[in-house]
Amino acid sequence: DTAVSQTPKYLVTQMGNDKSIKCEQNLGHDTMYWYKQDSKKFLKIMFSYNNKELIINETVPNRFSPKSPDKAHLNLHINSLELGDSAVYFCASSQDWNNQPQHFGDGTRLSIL
Amino acid sequence: QKEVEQNSGPLSVPEGAIASLNCTYSDRGSQSFFWYRQYSGKSPELIMSIYSNGDKEDGRFTAQLNKASQYVSLLIRDSQPSDSATYLCAVILTGGGNKLTFGTGTQLKVEL
Repeated sequence: DTAVSQTPKYLVTQMGNDKSIKCEQNLGHDTMYWYKQDSKKFLKIMFSYNNKELIINETVPNRFSPKSPDKAHLNLHINSLELGDSAVYFCASSQDWNNQPQHFGDGTRLSIL
Repeated sequence: QKEVEQNSGPLSVPEGAIASLNCTYSDRGSQSFFWYRQYSGKSPELIMSIYSNGDKEDGRFTAQLNKASQYVSLLIRDSQPSDSATYLCAVILTGGGNKLTFGTGTQLKVEL
């Protein structure tokens, strides 16, 4: 069973479109995260939710809106996609927000045409 | 100074040798440190976590932590070609909500 699963795995779309990425974890973890890995492979946190509450919101354009319907799910909606949004987006989860190791999903490769 | 620094490499070692990967961090109050392995096109995979000064061994991997020097390292003994990957050092910084902050990664190549 996949512990942290993301859909879709690949997303190719036009500039200006709106798209969503879904993430689910079956580990019973309280905390979930979204990361962006750019073309230089640098992995940077975007958002973190603990028990459905937003606890980390890095300097991310407000075109990006996370939503956590329950603690097992964290989705990412992106409005008005731009070329610079092309990257791999990783979802992760941890037991709680207090220094626990994080486990990553397989990633969603977003390409903007 | 970057919050978490690693040499980007590539670090090339012959098969069977010890690979030594190094990482320094800027936040003196950090208490949690992790090493992730990332194969090309794949997600980061946790291989070691360390919280106390000293060495922690798990199979062929040894993590070493020196909080006074703000230094964490990963040793891979008996390196295999399958160890060829990018190794990411990650540190939970004490300010700003316990963010896990990654270094840029060191690319390791194990040659036959």
